[in-house]
Amino acid sequence: GQQVMQIPQYQHVQEGEDFTTYCNSSTTLSNIQWYKQRPGGHPVFLIQLVKSGEVKKQKRLTFQFGEAKKNSSLHITATQTTDVGTYFCAGRGSGGSNYKLTFGKGTLLTVNP
Amino acid sequence: NAGVTQTPKFQVLKTGQSMTLQCAQDMNHEYMSWYRQDPGMGLRLIHYSVGAGITDQGEVPNGYNVSRSTTEDFPLRLLSAAPSQTSVYFCASSYGTVGIYEQYFGPGTRLTVT
Repeated sequence: GQQVMQIPQYQHVQEGEDFTTYCNSSTTLSNIQWYKQRPGGHPVFLIQLVKSGEVKKQKRLTFQFGEAKKNSSLHITATQTTDVGTYFCAGRGSGGSNYKLTFGKGTLLTVNP
Repeated sequence: NAGVTQTPKFQVLKTGQSMTLQCAQDMNHEYMSWYRQDPGMGLRLIHYSVGAGITDQGEVPNGYNVSRSTTEDFPLRLLSAAPSQTSVYFCASSYGTVGIYEQYFGPGTRLTVT
């Protein structure tokens, strides 16, 4: 079945440093979503990428979808303590009806003030 | 709107007991899903529903049952609890096809099976 790998598993940074998490799928994706989960909270939708090579920005966050639609990344510029949490990617397979998202295991980001 | 609500927030069960985790949404979403989250494992899909009366299995369905008699409610039943079912359970809903539309997650139920 479809697998979505996410690295790194953990990342600790000093406030102000940049952060990147990477997501790789074993199969071509139709689209990919990113979620953030604060400690003790529930996942919250951040963004969706659909097109090959797509790049989207949300303030200090930059999301990319690979040309082959098999990988994606989330980059945070100048991290802040409010960025703490686990970031998940979730991919939807391509072809046919597919009502499921496959989540990566997430990257836990901690920020030292 | 309350969004997605889940009850209870916490639950402790003994091995072999059964219980139902409740999930409700007031956004008139057709699609609803149940996930479990274990440390280092991410979110794994248990069961999902594409509309009232229609359910299907996800990645880890064994030991769980679901039904969808109304658009609003999607309860998850543990038939005979086992320690391996200790986890945090999240219910989610979306306006349309999962993966095309964003999912809204409930606050979760923390379940411990002893």
